[in-house]
Amino acid sequence: DVKVTQSSRYLVKRTGEKVFLECVQDMDHENMFWYRQDPGLGLRLIYFSYDVKMKEKGDIPEGYSVSREKKERFSLILESASTNQTSMYLCASSSRTVLYEQYFGPGTRLTVT
Amino acid sequence: AQSVTQLDSQVPVFEEAPVELRCNYSSSVSVYLFWYVQYPNQGLQLLLKYLSGSTLVKGINGFEAEFNKSQTSFHLRKPSVHISDTAEYFCAVSAKAAGNKLTFGGGTRVLVKP
Repeated sequence: DVKVTQSSRYLVKRTGEKVFLECVQDMDHENMFWYRQDPGLGLRLIYFSYDVKMKEKGDIPEGYSVSREKKERFSLILESASTNQTSMYLCASSSRTVLYEQYFGPGTRLTVT
Repeated sequence: AQSVTQLDSQVPVFEEAPVELRCNYSSSVSVYLFWYVQYPNQGLQLLLKYLSGSTLVKGINGFEAEFNKSQTSFHLRKPSVHISDTAEYFCAVSAKAAGNKLTFGGGTRVLVKP
């Protein structure tokens, strides 16, 4: 079974803090994604990566950055957390050969106070 | 660009009754279509997908969906739901030329009542 793990299920941070969300997948997938999930808005893509050290902006990249130094790990960084970044963050991965089937982690619920 | 509209934000349904979740999409190019399910406190998992071929697609847990190109719809159905089907369901679309990028609808929360 594909396994995508995220470093924390729940996280509480203060406004202005730098926040790191970590995601690890164990299936040697080339593609990795970060989404945020908000009620009524579904999932919105923040960033994705199709290879080590490669990244592309998604639909809502403002206020976020990412890092992919190893194939299995994809980090989402909030440089200076703000209250409007309070959300559920989901990581996903997919292989290059089964392009459209994404496997999701359990999510990190981030609260910024 | 593509977009997805899920017409119902919440659907209450009694156990063993049928359920239909509506999904409409817009895209100027050919698309692939997906339904994902999110059980409480879990990530999303793929229920079913339409890539090509037969427009009636069967997925896991007794769900099926029908692709209707003329109406740009991909509605999800189950003839008899169980309590364990209580979850949030997301419709998603990917333009065939857009690589791996998925665009999700707003989600439909299904509450199955005994």
